[in-house]
Amino acid sequence: EPEVTQTPSHQVTQMGQEVILRCVPISNHLYFYWYRQILGQKVEFLVSFYNNEISEKSEIFDDQFSVERPDGSNFTLKIRSTKLEDSAMYFCASRFFQGVSYGYTFGSGTRLTVV
Amino acid sequence: AQTVTQSQPEMSVQEAETVTLSCTYDTSESDYYLFWYKQPPSRQMILVIRQEAYKQQNATENRFSVNFQKAAKSFSLKISDSQLGDAAMYFCAYRRGSQGNLIFGKGTKLSVKP
Repeated sequence: EPEVTQTPSHQVTQMGQEVILRCVPISNHLYFYWYRQILGQKVEFLVSFYNNEISEKSEIFDDQFSVERPDGSNFTLKIRSTKLEDSAMYFCASRFFQGVSYGYTFGSGTRLTVV
Repeated sequence: AQTVTQSQPEMSVQEAETVTLSCTYDTSESDYYLFWYKQPPSRQMILVIRQEAYKQQNATENRFSVNFQKAAKSFSLKISDSQLGDAAMYFCAYRRGSQGNLIFGKGTKLSVKP
């Protein structure tokens, strides 16, 4: 079964450093998303991406965050200057518009630890 | 704004028994979709079941079924014949229309006792 692949599985970074989280969505999917989950809390929407542009973003997704689909396969989330509170599990998800199905497929997540 | 509420932070069930996890939501939309996701200790998000709001029939996937009460804005998950592998966090989620993002509840941690 097709999977959404995220790398790395775990990243440790120093506060103030830039990080790039990578995702390879399912190849025929058209919509891409980033969500995050701070430990012990609920999963929160960050941003959605369609047709090579951001279609929706949350209040969390401020100027420190950016997304790209640089080569038609990878979908990246960049955090420019990490803060301690950015420590969380980051999930990539993709979706293919299948009429009424609208199913999301999530990746296994990247655990980001900011020290 | 839409909200999703899971009022049970933790639940426990005996193996082979049935358990029901509660979820309520608040929306003024008529076109929306509801989901239950399972998050095992590996923290991967796995879709368990989904329900289209326009469908009156409750969705069923093997041992998993929902009780969708649209007027009450309630969407509970029933797990029958619980198995040890069902132990996980369960998140209820809402999506507005065909293109909205997912809004998650805080989750219910389900333990399964042998």
